[in-house]
Amino acid sequence: GAVVSQHPSWVICKSGTSVKIECRSLDFQATTMFWYRQFPKQSLMLMATSNEGSKATYEQGVEKDKFLINHASLTLSTLTVTSAHPEDSSFYICSARDRDSYEQYFGPGTRLTVT
Amino acid sequence: AQSVSQHNHHVILSEAASLELGCNYSYGGTVNLFWYVQYPGQHLQLLLKYFSGDPLVKGIKGFEAEFIKSKFSFNLRKPSVQWSDTAEYFCAVRYSSASKIIFGSGTRLSIRP
Repeated sequence: GAVVSQHPSWVICKSGTSVKIECRSLDFQATTMFWYRQFPKQSLMLMATSNEGSKATYEQGVEKDKFLINHASLTLSTLTVTSAHPEDSSFYICSARDRDSYEQYFGPGTRLTVT
Repeated sequence: AQSVSQHNHHVILSEAASLELGCNYSYGGTVNLFWYVQYPGQHLQLLLKYFSGDPLVKGIKGFEAEFIKSKFSFNLRKPSVQWSDTAEYFCAVRYSSASKIIFGSGTRLSIRP
């Protein structure tokens, strides 16, 4: 079956530093990938939609200069949390949509802790 | 606005009890509907989905859901729950195959052994 991987699975960083999270579709091509954030005991909130080769579309209230998204290929999207602060600590989950079937698959998530 | 709501925040059942979790989405038209499960400390897993056809959908682990278009609902059911069903359950909707998946707030299911 289709697999979406994320790297790293967890990361701890100091306040003020930047962190990059990778999302890969392993056996299918994804023209569109989605980035979600999940705070403890809460639901998944969509942050942005990225389309291969173009700028990401951010949901209302999400700072595009803080959460940089790059979707440079049909199998890779990256989310960079710039100048991270403790309030950015969260579980970040990516999802990739198969360009042929339109099925959407979710990655295992990346737990970010900012100290 | 496009949205999905889950009215049960926390459900507590005994083993072997029947389960029904409510899910409603905001308006009609063609929708894709999903139920996901997130076991403690684990990542999201797809339980079942509805795109078209038979409104009664069967998923994994004995779960099923019924799409009722007139009620904008997609309730999740299981006739007899097990302790291992303890998890967070999310209903989700997609308003077209080309759009994003929107999640409900989730229902925490606790099963007493």
